[in-house]
Amino acid sequence: GAGVSQTPSNKVTEKGKYVELRCDPISGHTALYWYRQSLGQGPEFLIYFQGTGAADDSGLPNDRFFAVRPEGSVSTLKIQRTERGDSAVYLCASSLRPDYNEQFFGPGTRLTVL
Amino acid sequence: DQQVKQNSPSLSVQEGRISILNCDYTNSMFDYFLWYKKYPAEGPTFLISISSIKDKNEDGRFTVFLNKSAKHLSLHIVPSQPGDSAVYFCAAGGSQGNLIFGKGTKLSVKP
Repeated sequence: GAGVSQTPSNKVTEKGKYVELRCDPISGHTALYWYRQSLGQGPEFLIYFQGTGAADDSGLPNDRFFAVRPEGSVSTLKIQRTERGDSAVYLCASSLRPDYNEQFFGPGTRLTVL
Repeated sequence: DQQVKQNSPSLSVQEGRISILNCDYTNSMFDYFLWYKKYPAEGPTFLISISSIKDKNEDGRFTVFLNKSAKHLSLHIVPSQPGDSAVYFCAAGGSQGNLIFGKGTKLSVKP
C-alpha cells in the first residue's frame, strides 16, 4: 500500500549508543510529524516538518534528539547517547498539508534501550 | 498538566449495544478534535473528526458529539461489533499542526 512506513520496526540498543529511525511519508504529503508513545500513554508530539524545515520542534525532550527531512520527503529521527528512558514506540505521521486535520500514522518503531 | 483527558482506561460492552467513549479538554483554543483507533503493534488509525464550530459529526456507525461549553466530546459506536475492540484515542489540534492526545480507552466488545 501507499501508507506511511517506518524502519526499523524494532530497535534494541545499549545505553549510550546512537540510533536513527526512518520515516517514509505518504507521497505528496507536505507535513510530517514525529510522536513518541510510552506504555500506557497517548502519543506525545516531538517535532513537525513543513517541507524541509522544522516548523515546530518544541516537543523534543532535549538536545540529544534531532530530526531532519533534507528533501522534503523521508525523515530521520536521530537520538544520541541513548538512555533507558528513551525506550518507547516512536510514531511518524504525515498529512496533506498542515491545516489538514487528518494525520496518517505509520506502524511505529519500538526502541528498547538496555 | 494534561490538556486532553480520557478518564476511563477501559470499557466493556456487549455486541450490538452502544459504546460511548468520553474525552475532556482544557484548552478552549483547540480548532478540531479527532478520534483514532489503535490495534496492538500498529499505528493509530483515523476514525472521525469534528471541527470546533460543529456539535456533531456522523460517519456510519460512528458519531462524535462536541459540547464546547463543557469542553467535552464523546464518540458513540452503534451497534458495537467485536472488531471494534481496540484502544481509542481522543486528540485535539489547533493552528500549530501537532495533535495532543489523551491516554486512551481500551474498548472490549464481547460477542
